[in-house]
Amino acid sequence: EVQLVQSGAEVMKPGQSLRISCKGSGYSFSTYWIAWVRQMPGKGLEWMGIIYPYDSDAKYSPSFQGQVTISADKSINTAYLQWSSLKASDTAMYYCARLSIRGRANWFDPWGQGTLVTVSS
Amino acid sequence: SSELTQDPAVSVALGQTVRITCQGDSLRSYYASWYQQKPGQAPVVVIYEKNQRPSGIPDRFSASSSGDTASLTISGAQAEDEADYYCNSRDSSGNNYVFATGTTVTVL
Repeated sequence: EVQLVQSGAEVMKPGQSLRISCKGSGYSFSTYWIAWVRQMPGKGLEWMGIIYPYDSDAKYSPSFQGQVTISADKSINTAYLQWSSLKASDTAMYYCARLSIRGRANWFDPWGQGTLVTVSS
Repeated sequence: SSELTQDPAVSVALGQTVRITCQGDSLRSYYASWYQQKPGQAPVVVIYEKNQRPSGIPDRFSASSSGDTASLTISGAQAEDEADYYCNSRDSSGNNYVFATGTTVTVL
């Protein structure tokens, strides 16, 4: 079974750093892009960026460039999303998802269960 | 702001058909994929690559496309289809991925 399992919920203070993880299993982790998607409370899905674990090539949405860092360790089939200084506005559910691309099509499947990040003083 | 737009909400009577549309210039060049998200759950893909359904997705879900508009149709909507639905594709530059604003489907 292809599966992505994310790290648990985090409660943080503004200014703190954080790294959350997404571990893949059941497929060749290195050869599929992994995406990160934000969902703020009561809001829609926002694509943040993707990483190709084989060579750690990362691409960011213009909205998130410079705000987060996406990385991966292919030796342990894990992708990461990292903040150096959290803000209250980073409070959200964060999902990872495997990206498939075929010609003019792309789709995200499967998705991780989500990691809730709460930033509050 | 999203480069893909959807109507915020639609309602459908139990057993009837509902169509959800997604509009954007990039849809002239790229296919849309569609996601269902129920409260408290992660999104699930229901349609990908023009009109493909993953295993386990009922055949009452189908998709079509014309010009700059992609559509998801639920034929014979069931109570369990009540959820938020999002379309996704690339943006007009082709360099980024984008989700539309989402449509809440209510089954009456």
